[in-house]
Amino acid sequence: QITLKESGPTLVKPTQTLTLTCTFSGFSLSTSGVGVGWIRQPPGKALEWLALIFWDDDKRYSPSLKSRLTITKDTSKNQVVLTMTNMDPVDTATYYCAHSRRGDYGDYFFDYWGQGTLVTVSS
Amino acid sequence: SYELTQPPSVSVSPGQTASITCSGDKLEDKYICWYQQKSGQSPVLVIYQDSKRPSGIPERFSGSNSGNTATLTISGTQAMDEADYYCQAWDSNTAVFGGGTKLTVL
Repeated sequence: QITLKESGPTLVKPTQTLTLTCTFSGFSLSTSGVGVGWIRQPPGKALEWLALIFWDDDKRYSPSLKSRLTITKDTSKNQVVLTMTNMDPVDTATYYCAHSRRGDYGDYFFDYWGQGTLVTVSS
Repeated sequence: SYELTQPPSVSVSPGQTASITCSGDKLEDKYICWYQQKSGQSPVLVIYQDSKRPSGIPERFSGSNSGNTATLTISGTQAMDEADYYCQAWDSNTAVFGGGTKLTVL
């Protein structure tokens, strides 16, 4: 079965760079039509999409955060890494990684999610 | 930037039908997903491509998309369906989530 798990620091200071790792099993990120995305959720607020990397190394970023985000994959390790620069207290949130696959009409959806990891930004 | 609008809350009695809407400009031209998030848990995909149910999702969950509005319908709502529900679509290579709707079963 498909599983994903996020890992990284639980506390970062303002202006620091956050690095999160998504380690997954049950699928290969070299399979056509597959992707892994990152989504975050501030406490008590809505989901916000951050980035998505595809099997062919194509990448998509949230326009509002694009300048701060980098997403990479290591297919051999079954890992996807997200870095976010210049962290601010407003970036405090639970960060999720999720498996994405291409539907019949070229659309993508997130069909398996990790448990999420809470990242707090505070000095 | 593209926006998806959901009502903040919807209430339904057990056994009745709950309808949660998601509005956006020319939404029918896009494919909509719906996610269910119970308190303290990760989101779960309940509808994709407007109306398809993933394996394991009960038949009481259905979806539609027409004009500027997509609708998630839960027939015969059960107490276990109480959760936050989010719609999601793609616009210009960007994934967009709605603000979420809290479904209360009372």
